[in-house]
Amino acid sequence: QVQLVESGGDVVHPGGSLRLSCAASGFTFNTFGMHWVRQAPGKGLEWVAFMHSGGHKIFYVEAVKGRFTISRDNSINTLYLQMNSLTPDDTAVYYCVKDRSPLVSWSDYFGFWGQGTLVTVSS
Amino acid sequence: DIQLTQSPSFLSASVGDRVTISCRASQGIASYLAWYQQKPGKAPNLLIYASSTLQSGVPSRFSGSGFGTEFTLTISSLQPEDFATYYCQQLYTFSITFGQGTRLEIK
Repeated sequence: QVQLVESGGDVVHPGGSLRLSCAASGFTFNTFGMHWVRQAPGKGLEWVAFMHSGGHKIFYVEAVKGRFTISRDNSINTLYLQMNSLTPDDTAVYYCVKDRSPLVSWSDYFGFWGQGTLVTVSS
Repeated sequence: DIQLTQSPSFLSASVGDRVTISCRASQGIASYLAWYQQKPGKAPNLLIYASSTLQSGVPSRFSGSGFGTEFTLTISSLQPEDFATYYCQQLYTFSITFGQGTRLEIK
């Protein structure tokens, strides 16, 4: 069955960095677009970043452009999110999300979500 | 960015009720809209995509409709497991956005 297991969440000081990982299994990873979505405590959902299956199309929400980098290693079925210059506004549960269908031209709807990893930015 | 506004933000209803949640887009998004359900402490789950297509495994009491800027999610007969928060989402542009959520609680 499909599994997405996030890791790397931690408590970090403002201005610090963190790298999240998402280990995928149960599907052909290199054929699906992947996303990071975050949810601040008690708040709604915010899409953060997308990487197409082949890595050629990448998009970010404006709030993280220039600070966050999404990447993937299709040889080990893993998605990453490098987060730099973190601020308290980045405090959230970060979800790794798989597109519903493979090999679409850009993004599909969000077909499967991991359980999330908590990032806390605090001094 | 395209803004999605859900109404109501909070809804109190009883088991067996028919409920409707609305989602209005700040500009036309054709049918590029989905609905997700999220229960406390859990990840969201896709219910409806392309405005009206039921995701595999989702009960038929859930339905979606709309085009352009006005969309609705309808639950025909509320079950105890349906009390949750619901989000709409648009994929029309490269900057994906969600509505603010509608919290559905037991009356």
